[in-house]
Amino acid sequence: GAVVSQHPSWVICKSGTSVKIECRSLDFQATTMFWYRQFPKQSLMLMATSNEGSKATYEQGVEKDKFLINHASLTLSTLTVTSAHPEDSSFYICSARDPGRGQSYEQYFGPGTRLTVT
Amino acid sequence: AQKVTQAQTEISVVEKEDVTLDCVYETRDTTYYLFWYKQPPSGELVFLIRRNSFDEQNEISGRYSWNFQKSTSSFNFTITASQVVDSAVYFCALRHTGGGNKLTFGTGTQLKVEL
Repeated sequence: GAVVSQHPSWVICKSGTSVKIECRSLDFQATTMFWYRQFPKQSLMLMATSNEGSKATYEQGVEKDKFLINHASLTLSTLTVTSAHPEDSSFYICSARDPGRGQSYEQYFGPGTRLTVT
Repeated sequence: AQKVTQAQTEISVVEKEDVTLDCVYETRDTTYYLFWYKQPPSGELVFLIRRNSFDEQNEISGRYSWNFQKSTSSFNFTITASQVVDSAVYFCALRHTGGGNKLTFGTGTQLKVEL
């Protein structure tokens, strides 16, 4: 149980284009999803917290107009990188919280999406 | 503010050696959770353990063991008889009960196990 998928697993796009990454909870409903970014050989940095049916909460320093997050259903959150530039190339990881598992507030991680902007 | 420090950037050991990965954390919360995750080259995070702040019992799971010392704010991870498949980046993380239950990750320790 508690499986989270991401699509695509990797994507290459040209500078200036937009790319959408999907995060799905496959066997549970996730009221909250988190988006992380990881540069090579670095740690995971939380970008934003996404709550179903409401606006995402962005961490300090993250451009909300550049990284559009939509959590339209209890099983799907999307991250759109708009007008991508090479510096946006990174590994993007989502996680989802399963409220049905009581107070553990456990986060279940997706496999990640590797974005390369050329 | 929450902070997790993994001072060891990279560790190399020979197979069958024991290795300990250090984790020191900072938090003002009295209730919090600590985690260890493994990230192999594929990139997917693998959950290893969760420990809450009220449970200082050490835990052993096969070749893995964890030592939680609240007095020194440390949550160290030991792999006994390391294997090549243990090669990965290991992250320690802290979740505090307020603030949306966010996870704060350490910088990770790259473990290389060689034959």
